[in-house]
Amino acid sequence: RKEVEQDPGPFNVPEGATVAFNCTYSNSASQSFFWYRQDCRKEPKLLMSVYSSGNEDGRFTAQLNRASQYISLLIRDSKLSDSATYLCVVPNSGGYQKVTFGIGTKLQVIP
Amino acid sequence: GAGVSQSPSNKVTEKGKDVELRCDPISGHTALYWYRQSLGQGLEFLIYFQGNSAPDKSGLPSDRFSAERTGGSVSTLTIQRTQQEDSAVYLCASSLHPGTNGANVLTFGAGSRLTVL
Repeated sequence: RKEVEQDPGPFNVPEGATVAFNCTYSNSASQSFFWYRQDCRKEPKLLMSVYSSGNEDGRFTAQLNRASQYISLLIRDSKLSDSATYLCVVPNSGGYQKVTFGIGTKLQVIP
Repeated sequence: GAGVSQSPSNKVTEKGKDVELRCDPISGHTALYWYRQSLGQGLEFLIYFQGNSAPDKSGLPSDRFSAERTGGSVSTLTIQRTQQEDSAVYLCASSLHPGTNGANVLTFGAGSRLTVL
């Protein structure tokens, strides 16, 4: 298994739809996880941290499943402005700050 | 500064020339990273600096690539004898000291877009 795997998409969904992305990881010792958002031709920006108990911020919910080693991002009531690439981030093994970015899942919200 | 600052924002160079890309991290961030992103591709790790420790250079693609970080702050990524395949956006990020709450959260600069003709 790769360190971090994501379906690159694209996911094309209508406005108002609910969409979910998964990200699988190989390092079972990883403790903290993140979702970043990257708009076209822009730098990645932190969207959410992923805690063991899950994390919710408005229309966005992140969940962690340690047993199956994946994290998920759920977006409810999709807006046109949600169109972006969503990057999953997992700390590397070795206990220091190096992290691995997934290739990203591209979301296109359609009017 | 308030954010991670990179310069130049755009650089067009001829094959075989050397280029230098600069990154000024957030004040107080001890960790600094360089990534490369080719068009339509994911982020490729290049190098990581943490304080005065030896950098992790495991991602540098060839010996034409080097980076330094002077005084634990500003970093310069140097590409010698550029090739067309070096064309990409070079992203710098910084984060807090290990063990600090949020130390794994990276803040990125806007990137330096390099085009090698």
